[in-house]
Amino acid sequence: EAGVAQSPRYKIIEKRQSVAFWCNPISGHATLYWYQQILGQGPKLLIQFQNNGVVDDSQLPKDRFSAERLKGVDSTLKIQPAKLEDSAVYLCASSLGRVAGGGPDTQYFGPGTRLTVL
Amino acid sequence: AQSVTQLGSHVSVSEGALVLLRCNYSSSVPPYLFWYVQYPNQGLQLLLKYTSAATLVKGINGFEAEFKKSETSFHLTKPSAHMSDAAEYFCAVSDQSSGTYKYIFGTGTRLKVLA
Repeated sequence: EAGVAQSPRYKIIEKRQSVAFWCNPISGHATLYWYQQILGQGPKLLIQFQNNGVVDDSQLPKDRFSAERLKGVDSTLKIQPAKLEDSAVYLCASSLGRVAGGGPDTQYFGPGTRLTVL
Repeated sequence: AQSVTQLGSHVSVSEGALVLLRCNYSSSVPPYLFWYVQYPNQGLQLLLKYTSAATLVKGINGFEAEFKKSETSFHLTKPSAHMSDAAEYFCAVSDQSSGTYKYIFGTGTRLKVLA
């Protein structure tokens, strides 16, 4: 089974530029997550999709970040304009979105995109 | 709101020694708890999860964790460390909010294994 794919793996940009990241989840996974992982910290959820609808974007800086998941499959996360503090690894994860007996199901993570903003 | 605290951002053990990584949680309801491992330049991989069944949870690569409600802890252990265990480990708690489960991660513990 193919895992979660992300591209690019690395990106270096200057502040005020824009950047986009792409994620292709595991086939059949209804739920897709974007996390921001700043060096020395744990992942922080930015946005969660269920199919192509947003279920949680409370921690997404909407003045500069946007995300979409067209057709409920792959997703893009965009930053425009980037700031120095956006330097981080951006992780995409996916899950089935349901589990027998209730409770959270297992998330599968991609390798991440390391963004450096100069 | 639920949260997790990982004690010790860096832990060093000798190869063959016991690994103990500490995690304490706060929750007003019985939580779902997880341990993830992250190798350099890779995403997170699930080691094990507690979902209110057995309090002692066995995971991959010889790791296990014990849920102790009285101590609000979910420490990760492995009897004998291997060089390949060197990585960063994250404890996470899952919180159901507005009908969906959200994950809250700790700040991580970097494990170093000494030859």
